[in-house]
Amino acid sequence: DAGVIQSPRHEVTEMGQEVTLRCKPISGHNSLFWYRQTMMRGLELLIYFNNNVPIDDSGMPEDRFSAKMPNASFSTLKIQPSEPRDSAVYFCASSLQPTDTQYFGPGTRLTVL
Amino acid sequence: KNEVEQSPQNLTAQEGEFITINCSYSVGISALHWLQQHPGGGIVSLFMLSSGKKKHGRLIATINIQEKHSSLHITASHPRDSAVYICAVSRSNYKLTFGKGTLLTVNP
Repeated sequence: DAGVIQSPRHEVTEMGQEVTLRCKPISGHNSLFWYRQTMMRGLELLIYFNNNVPIDDSGMPEDRFSAKMPNASFSTLKIQPSEPRDSAVYFCASSLQPTDTQYFGPGTRLTVL
Repeated sequence: KNEVEQSPQNLTAQEGEFITINCSYSVGISALHWLQQHPGGGIVSLFMLSSGKKKHGRLIATINIQEKHSSLHITASHPRDSAVYICAVSRSNYKLTFGKGTLLTVNP
């Protein structure tokens, strides 16, 4: 299996622009997680999907952030409009079941200028 | 106080040394996870354990539920072991609470 796939790996954008991050989970996994990692706050859970349904979005910082999972093999995290404080590494992870080992993607390093 | 505390924050060792990283937590948990992150790299799950001990190659993870403590040991350390090691706990559900990580540097 190819593991969790994320794109793009790096994104540099200007403040105010829309950013879309993409994730393909491991086939057969029913749980998908979006995390943000910063030096100050470490790893934070943004949103959790189970069977394509958002279960917990309490970690989404504000309305500028949105996430979708239209099918079992694809999810997006969108930031609109982006701000410099959104600069971070965003990880997608998937697991077979909610409490199983989570497999992380390589991450997307986002820089908002 | 953080729910998950790791020590030390930074650790420098010489190649071949035995390394121990500690993790203490303050809540009841269903499982504890050890993760590895190389500089600028992705995150790899090393272990998930709820009791006893697990071993994979040169890595050993132990947990003491009564003492709310876990250790990650690396035997015969190698420069390629240089990474951040992150402890995380889960409480009967999907949500992981992460420690701040231990930066390990193994010098040749």
